[in-house]
Amino acid sequence: AQSVTQPDIHITVSEGASLELRCNYSYGATPYLFWYVQSPGQGLQLLLKYFSGDTLVQGIKGFEAEFKRSQSSFNLRKPSVHWSDAAEYFCAVAANFGNEKLTFGTGTRLTIIP
Amino acid sequence: GAVVSQHPSWVICKSGTSVKIECRSLDFQATTMFWYRQFPKQSLMLMATSNEGSKATYEQGVEKDKFLINHASLTLSTLTVTSAHPEDSSFYICSADAGQGLTYNEQFFGPGTRLTVL
Repeated sequence: AQSVTQPDIHITVSEGASLELRCNYSYGATPYLFWYVQSPGQGLQLLLKYFSGDTLVQGIKGFEAEFKRSQSSFNLRKPSVHWSDAAEYFCAVAANFGNEKLTFGTGTRLTIIP
Repeated sequence: GAVVSQHPSWVICKSGTSVKIECRSLDFQATTMFWYRQFPKQSLMLMATSNEGSKATYEQGVEKDKFLINHASLTLSTLTVTSAHPEDSSFYICSADAGQGLTYNEQFFGPGTRLTVL
């Protein structure tokens, strides 16, 4: 079975600074990889996903993520954060066959300071 | 994008009572809906997968008689927590699959329901 690790429970960055959220997965092959954002009172929103092809994927809200097979990682990045980016971020994986269920990491809470 | 709603957004009930949570896909038909449970500062744990017109598939360790799931139409799934107890207090989130089955189908998530059992 697949698993996901998000090593950072809480990250604080200054507005305008760059951001990188870490995600490592465990799976026998290359899974489908996702990043979601959860804001209070709102459902999880998909930021980006990786299925195959170019290992650098662009998402919404200026986010990008890079799949590194050798490191079993799928880290999320943003060059300049905005106060509105404060939220909980979840990395998730799914087996790459059929329509398999999502397995979520424990999440990283992002705080933005002025 | 596709919108999924949940009702109620929060509910407080007495121990021993049953609570029903609705999950609706507002602008698309969902053949598959998923129910998750999220404890404070923890991840989402899949409880069950429901397909319209058939019985739900529960994850290991989830009591199907405790958490009744009904997916009676392509836009509505309900989760009923029967004889709720304080340990059932949690944040319940549903998602709906709007795909056509050709590739991995994106799940669209509802805003969640906060259940507190006194």
